[in-house]
Amino acid sequence: GAVVSQHPSWVICKSGTSVKIECRSLDFQATTMFWYRQFPKQSLMLMATSNEGSKATYEQGVEKDKFLINHASLTLSTLTVTSAHPEDSSFYICSASPLFEDRTPWAFFGQGTRLTVV
Amino acid sequence: QKEVEQNSGPLSVPEGAIASLNCTYSDRGSQSFFWYRQYSGKSPELIMSIYSNGDKEDGRFTAQLNKASQYVSLLIRDSQPSDSATYLCAVNAGGTSYGKLTFGQGTILTVHP
Repeated sequence: GAVVSQHPSWVICKSGTSVKIECRSLDFQATTMFWYRQFPKQSLMLMATSNEGSKATYEQGVEKDKFLINHASLTLSTLTVTSAHPEDSSFYICSASPLFEDRTPWAFFGQGTRLTVV
Repeated sequence: QKEVEQNSGPLSVPEGAIASLNCTYSDRGSQSFFWYRQYSGKSPELIMSIYSNGDKEDGRFTAQLNKASQYVSLLIRDSQPSDSATYLCAVNAGGTSYGKLTFGQGTILTVHP
């Protein structure tokens, strides 16, 4: 099956610093990737849609200047949390969908990144 | 009204029993429906996908879709303790939102020996 790799798996950073999270599709090309955030005991909430070669589309309420998304190639999207604060501590998960011939939109998820801001 | 709503949990069933998980969605134009399993601290894992009305079976899992009622369910037969996890219902609207999923709040399932 399609593999999506996310790195790092966990990171601890100091308040005010920036953290970059990478999401790679290993065996398929993904023109679109998605970034989700999950707080404890809550479901996944879509933060933004990452489009290769163009600006990301952010969901309502997500600060685009704080969560910088770059989709540099067909296999790599990065999420940078700038000036992180403790309230940004969460589980960040990316997903990508290979374009199957029948257009079934399976979404394959990375393993997630646990961000803790201290 | 939430876009995707799951039956409130947690759900506890004995080993070997059938676990029934339910989900309703508000967007009548939704095209694709998925069930994911998520273990604590892990990423969601796809269990089932269903696109047309009726039942779809895969091993111990059966997904049921009723678009007229905007309802999708997951049955787990012969439940095992390893099935204990949070189950997420996800919906894709189709069209230009290819790959974009809206998740329900999840149902915690516990299978006790």
